[in-house]
Amino acid sequence: AQSVTQLDSQVPVFEEAPVELRCNYSSSVSVYLFWYVQYPNQGLQLLLKYLSGSTLVKGINGFEAEFNKSQTSFHLRKPSVHISDTAEYFCAGIRMDSSYKLIFGSGTRLLVRP
Amino acid sequence: ETGVTQTPRHLVMGMTNKKSLKCEQHLGHNAMYWYKQSAKKPLELMFVYSLEERVENNSVPSRFSPECPNSSHLFLHLHTLQPEDSALYLCASSQEGEVNYGYTFGSGTRLTVV
Repeated sequence: AQSVTQLDSQVPVFEEAPVELRCNYSSSVSVYLFWYVQYPNQGLQLLLKYLSGSTLVKGINGFEAEFNKSQTSFHLRKPSVHISDTAEYFCAGIRMDSSYKLIFGSGTRLLVRP
Repeated sequence: ETGVTQTPRHLVMGMTNKKSLKCEQHLGHNAMYWYKQSAKKPLELMFVYSLEERVENNSVPSRFSPECPNSSHLFLHLHTLQPEDSALYLCASSQEGEVNYGYTFGSGTRLTVV
């Protein structure tokens, strides 16, 4: 099945602590991978993307992600989180057909506590 | 105005009402999408329009009727909805065949069916 899996539905963390949000993709998803962030009552905003080249990708707001082909993973990391990072984070990949359609994971809610 | 704009932001409707959601994109994209986002469920792709033709309909009930009069506008016509249709409805656009930029999302319409 075509899938992008986010294992954690919610990740609580204290402010200024590091965080990792996990994402794994199946072989039926291409290696064009994205992370989106959704703040309360808003749409999804592109955080970063991996298309090719360096496996470490830097995005907005201090986030970065590492593409790992052998582990079929694309985990999102931030070394020190802010209260304002509290949001829903979605991993997505392009379907392995000619449609270029995005498949989304189920999302991970990052809850940053003071 | 740039980006993807959705109106209204909030909508409350009775089960016998007829209403429409509107999406407008000013990015010159040639593909547009409707997603449904319900609490604690993954993003559900509802409809895909490419070059103003509907190319995907993911088993959406007929009480949802999309319309794409041109490449910049997308509507979702609603009639005789059920309470379980209450959700955030997101519109997105992209340039078909180009993975570089992913999708651009609107802020969504929060629909409540009473």
